[in-house]
Amino acid sequence: DQQVKQNSPSLSVQEGRISILNCDYTNSMFDYFLWYKKYPAEGPTFLISISSIKDKNEDGRFTVFLNKSAKHLSLHIVPSQPGDSAVYFCAAKGSGTSYGKLTFGQGTILTVHP
Amino acid sequence: DAMVIQNPRYQVTQFGKPVTLSCSQTLNHNVMYWYQQKSSQAPKLLFHYYDKDFNNEADTPDNFQSRRPNTSFCFLDIRSPGLGDAAMYLCATSREETQYFGPGTRLLVL
Repeated sequence: DQQVKQNSPSLSVQEGRISILNCDYTNSMFDYFLWYKKYPAEGPTFLISISSIKDKNEDGRFTVFLNKSAKHLSLHIVPSQPGDSAVYFCAAKGSGTSYGKLTFGQGTILTVHP
Repeated sequence: DAMVIQNPRYQVTQFGKPVTLSCSQTLNHNVMYWYQQKSSQAPKLLFHYYDKDFNNEADTPDNFQSRRPNTSFCFLDIRSPGLGDAAMYLCATSREETQYFGPGTRLLVL
């Protein structure tokens, strides 16, 4: 039972354009969502997060949008740079405590072409 | 200024030979986690500590144990590694919602 899904295994974008990575979830008890970037042979690096009480959070080139009614979140990267090429994971945390298990999606490989 | 440190980065062990992976943190976070990630799959939580309170995921095999002697250090012990335990093992820490990961230890079982 995959509660967090990233349906696009890969995405290819031209440098300077927008990258949009999508994530869907099924558990309405998730209250916090995060995006991580992962390079080969390294651990995930935290990018940006959003609480379920918000619908948008922005940090520099990265913006996360949350649509609770659709149980959908997306990460926008504008403008995309070749150094953004990596695997992107969305993750969700259950409600009840401020810490605890993150449920990850399968990841989307982003390639940004010069 | 590394925040979550994992040693070693690569570990080779033999089938059935106990192995210990280590994690340390300089963030003074009270929660530490161990995840297992097999290639092309999402990271999967094995267990976590809230301070000294140990929380095991229901589907974590008994073969996996953990120790947290103090705030800074956490160990993952695999008592009898099988070929199926070959994976990347990720340590993470948090104080609140955001978890910060170490670089991982890739375990190879021969």
